[in-house]
Amino acid sequence: KAGVTQTPRYLIKTRGQQVTLSCSPISGHRSVSWYQQTPGQGLQFLFEYFSETQRNKGNFPGRFSGRQFSNSRSEMNVSTLELGDSALYLCASSEDSNQPQHFGDGTRLSIL
Amino acid sequence: AQSVTQLGSHVSVSEGALVLLRCNYSSSVPPYLFWYVQYPNQGLQLLLKYTTGATLVKGINGFEAEFKKSETSFHLTKPSAHMSDAAEYFCAVTSRSGGSYIPTFGRGTSLIVHP
Repeated sequence: KAGVTQTPRYLIKTRGQQVTLSCSPISGHRSVSWYQQTPGQGLQFLFEYFSETQRNKGNFPGRFSGRQFSNSRSEMNVSTLELGDSALYLCASSEDSNQPQHFGDGTRLSIL
Repeated sequence: AQSVTQLGSHVSVSEGALVLLRCNYSSSVPPYLFWYVQYPNQGLQLLLKYTTGATLVKGINGFEAEFKKSETSFHLTKPSAHMSDAAEYFCAVTSRSGGSYIPTFGRGTSLIVHP
C-alpha cells in the first residue's frame, strides 16, 4: 500500500498570503487528521475529517480550515498568513480515529 | 482535558545500554496509548500501541512498553540501544471527543545514542 502523501514538501510564503496544503491518505482510510508541529508547541491537533465531515477541531483560529473529498483526500487552508504559522504541517490517516495513525512526511511552511 | 507528560526532553545512552523513555498521562478512563518515532524531516511512525488486553506491548525494532493503570504510565523500553535508534519519540493518548477520538501527544523525547 502506498503511504500518506503530502504535497508540497516545502513552501515559502509571505505574511498576509494564503496557502493550501494537500494530503492523500492510505487507500481505505476514511479518517484524516492534521497537525501543526513547532519546536515551541510540539504537535498540536488542528482537525479531523471522516467521510467528508469535520468531526473534531483543535484550538486554532478560523484562519485554519480544511475539507475532505469523497475519495478521502484532504486539503487544509490557512488564510492571512502570520509569521507564527511557520511550522511543519503533518497529515495522518487511519481507518478510524481510535486506530493508529499513519503520517505523511509533512509540508514545511515558512513565512517571510 | 487529557495531558501527556514525557519526562526528559533529551535522553542520552551509550550504544548497547538500556533505553527507558517515560510517559505519564492524565485519565481516569483506560485510554488507547501509542508510541511513535520521528526521524529528521519525516513524519511519525508507529512503534507500538495499547488498546486492551495484555499490558506489556511489543513493538517494532525491539521496543516494548508496559501499561500501568495504577501509575497512569506507559513507559517505553529497549534492552540494548543501537545507533539507528537516535530519533524523537512521542507518546500519545487518545480520548473520546464527540463522535471520535482525539490524540494528545507528549512534547517528545529526543534519544541520543553515543558510541
